[in-house]
Amino acid sequence: DSGVTQTPKHLITATGQRVTLRCSPRSGDLSVYWYQQSLDQGLQFLIQYYNGEERAKGNILERFSAQQFPDLHSELNLSSLELGDSALYFCASSVGAGGSYNSPLHFGNGTRLTVT
Amino acid sequence: GQQVMQIPQYQHVQEGEDFTTYCNSSTTLSNIQWYKQRPGGHPVFLIQLVKSGEVKKQKRLTFQFGEAKKNSSLHITATQTTDVGTYFCAGPPFNQGGKLIFGQGTELSVKP
Repeated sequence: DSGVTQTPKHLITATGQRVTLRCSPRSGDLSVYWYQQSLDQGLQFLIQYYNGEERAKGNILERFSAQQFPDLHSELNLSSLELGDSALYFCASSVGAGGSYNSPLHFGNGTRLTVT
Repeated sequence: GQQVMQIPQYQHVQEGEDFTTYCNSSTTLSNIQWYKQRPGGHPVFLIQLVKSGEVKKQKRLTFQFGEAKKNSSLHITATQTTDVGTYFCAGPPFNQGGKLIFGQGTELSVKP
């Protein structure tokens, strides 16, 4: 058990809808990362928050947004969903902010999103 | 932007054979991390390498960081069925916060 909690485990929704994925980091970790994993794209970095502030951004679509709350949990909002958004979405947490030395990432079990 | 390439994409071995996966970055890395993802599971941190030319061992696993800090390798000696999974390397782009760019991964299958 990594200590990172993601809910829900599975989500099935229709195109055009909006969903929210939730992540609670490991106790003591200040950074939260979101990754998208699909069969042909590997693990794609979406965004990182550190202690409530956006720290780094990847190729995150404009239809996607995220935030980290004062209690350090994070939410990833996906809107105007398309079939291609179907994937496994992982949240990970780490102690530090990253940079020249990256503390290890601890991954949650993921949320499997299916868009029909 | 920075790219992290991994080869091979798939590797099928007989139990007891050795296995190596290679990771190459388009830019110099300050450090590199390796993760293992079992089928149906989530990535699990294995190790981090920081120094140029660094070699670290974990039982049958040997990790190496290249002298130029642009490439890395993971070698497994005498594979076992418990080694099955996808192995990812990940490195941070220079001056881009804490994000880790993952390679595409090498999927290892082991035939008993």
